[in-house]
Amino acid sequence: DTGVSQNPRHKITKRGQNVTFRCDPISEHNRLYWYRQTLGQGPEFLTYFQNEAQLEKSRLLSDRFSAERPKGSFSTLEIQRTEQGDSAMYLCASTATEASTEAFFGQGTRLTVV
Amino acid sequence: DQQVKQNSPSLSVQEGRISILNCDYTNSMFDYFLWYKKYPAEGPTFLISISSIKDKNEDGRFTVFLNKSAKHLSLHIVPSQPGDSAVYFCAASVAGGGNKLTFGTGTQLKVEL
Repeated sequence: DTGVSQNPRHKITKRGQNVTFRCDPISEHNRLYWYRQTLGQGPEFLTYFQNEAQLEKSRLLSDRFSAERPKGSFSTLEIQRTEQGDSAMYLCASTATEASTEAFFGQGTRLTVV
Repeated sequence: DQQVKQNSPSLSVQEGRISILNCDYTNSMFDYFLWYKKYPAEGPTFLISISSIKDKNEDGRFTVFLNKSAKHLSLHIVPSQPGDSAVYFCAASVAGGGNKLTFGTGTQLKVEL
């Protein structure tokens, strides 16, 4: 297993367009997290899944954002009607079980909204 | 409201010397603390962690100290190596909180030859 995989690595989009990112967690990890990191800040929690159930969403996740994990394996994060303020690094992480505290992160998707 | 604070944006040390990175937190409900290292264009990599029931955890060159009364933790790297140059993030989680992490803003460590 090569770890958490995120695609694409980079995405440049025009304001108002929709974008979708994909995360493939470590195999058999049942928890999956999305974070967002802006310049000069640490990663900020967005949402997480246990298997296919989305258990929590941060107030940072406006109604333009939606995340899914339909079969409890990979996850997608969609941003509709992108705004320049959405420009950030979007990080995905997974943990083996609900008791695990050590999260393994992917390399992230760098989104630039122009 | 920054619940995890890393007040030093950068730190420079000489190779072979000790690096000490500091982190303060305000939320008394945090019960698990982690340090992550991040190289440019990569995701954070887990380094070391400590539970709130301990005051020290050591792993090779890395030691984390926790002072609950002061709500302070520190990461010691000794001896420092050039490959340790990276951004270090302190993170914390709350028991029963889904293990989601609250991160500090990071400290850029530069280990010079």
